[in-house]
Amino acid sequence: DTEVTQTPKHLVMGMTNKKSLKCEQHMGHRAMYWYKQKAKKPPELMFVYSYEKLSINESVPSRFSPECPNSSLLNLHLHALQPEDSALYLCASSQVPPPGDYEQYFGPGTRLTVT
Amino acid sequence: TQLLEQSPQFLSIQEGENLTVYCNSSSVFSSLQWYRQEPGEGPVLLVTVVTGGEVKKLKRLTFQFGDARKDSSLHITAAQPGDTGLYLCAGINFGNEKLTFGTGTRLTIIP
Repeated sequence: DTEVTQTPKHLVMGMTNKKSLKCEQHMGHRAMYWYKQKAKKPPELMFVYSYEKLSINESVPSRFSPECPNSSLLNLHLHALQPEDSALYLCASSQVPPPGDYEQYFGPGTRLTVT
Repeated sequence: TQLLEQSPQFLSIQEGENLTVYCNSSSVFSSLQWYRQEPGEGPVLLVTVVTGGEVKKLKRLTFQFGDARKDSSLHITAAQPGDTGLYLCAGINFGNEKLTFGTGTRLTIIP
């Protein structure tokens, strides 16, 4: 089983709202990732968690707040977003935390629209 | 910044034709992965290549890693409409904790 699940599939929120994206994997992977993907572009890394600890923050604005409650779950808390934050948000996991050779498995993504 | 340039950027061909997509960099990668992504979905891992010169086959798809581990290619034989999608290469370097994605190739197979 190489499944990463994400909820919700679609999310529309206003600029003053607070919402959360959720990601779950049951493959025993010890690294989890958040990516942002704009239309017709490759995914851009936002955050990396290794063994439930934040190891990489790619200078992401503080209106995005990641959380890793346990080794299977990853959340992305959203607050006071801007319309330009509208994108497909992808979660991924890998068996081995970086650095080193590892394969990342992606979830189906959450399509976020900020109005 | 390590860049992975893919070519062509767009490709539209008839069903049954063959095609090759290229992924090139000036940097050496310890391994390279290929993904296919359909609209509104996450990328799906197709293959990982780790040894210079390595060739892997996945049904009608053939993946090759360059001898110097700076480039890779994906060849599709007898393309089918189900092959339509965005193809992304992505490389990993020792000492670099991030997966570097290529610029992407959007493939359309016309029935």
